[in-house]
Amino acid sequence: QVQLKETGPGLVQPTQTLSITCTVSGFSLTSYYMQWVRQTPGKGLEWMGFIRSGGSTEYNSEFKSRLSISRDTSKNQVFLKMNSLKTEDTGVYYCARSKFITTVAPFDYWGQGVMVTVSS
Amino acid sequence: DIQMTQSPASLSASLEEIVTITCQASQNIGNWLAWYQQKPGKSPQLLIYGTTSLADGVPSRFSGSRSGTQYSLKISRLQVEDIGIYYCQQASSTPLTFGSGTKLEIK
Repeated sequence: QVQLKETGPGLVQPTQTLSITCTVSGFSLTSYYMQWVRQTPGKGLEWMGFIRSGGSTEYNSEFKSRLSISRDTSKNQVFLKMNSLKTEDTGVYYCARSKFITTVAPFDYWGQGVMVTVSS
Repeated sequence: DIQMTQSPASLSASLEEIVTITCQASQNIGNWLAWYQQKPGKSPQLLIYGTTSLADGVPSRFSGSRSGTQYSLKISRLQVEDIGIYYCQQASSTPLTFGSGTKLEIK
């Protein structure tokens, strides 16, 4: 069955870099778009970006050049890296799968989320 | 960016009651609208996509509709297990955007 699981640090210091791994099973990363969504107290649910089945990426300009999404198909993993963290980046970070092979949304499977606190 | 204005922010209804939640898109998004349910401590779950299509395993008491740029989620007979926060999402163009959520409680 399809499963997604995020792993990452619970606490990150301001100005540092956040790295989260999404490990998937039950499907191939080369067949689906993979998304990153976060949920913060200040802005609710925010789409961050995706990596297409072919490996290209698209990002929410809100995150400007801070964000990078990549993957390792051999390990069934998708990665999120975001630098220059601020306290406002505190929240739960989710990876999710797009339901259809050819469209960006909707998202039919989500990981459990990883809580990230940005604090010194 | 396309803004999704969701209302009401919270809603308290009785069991078996009909509940309606709406989302107003700031521009034309066609039928590129999805609804998600998030239960406490859980990740969002897909309910409806393409404005009206039910996701797998979603009870038929849930339905979606559209009038112009206003989208609605209707629960025909509210059940205890329906409590949670509901979000709309537009997928017409990036950045994909979500509504601010409707918290649904049982009266």
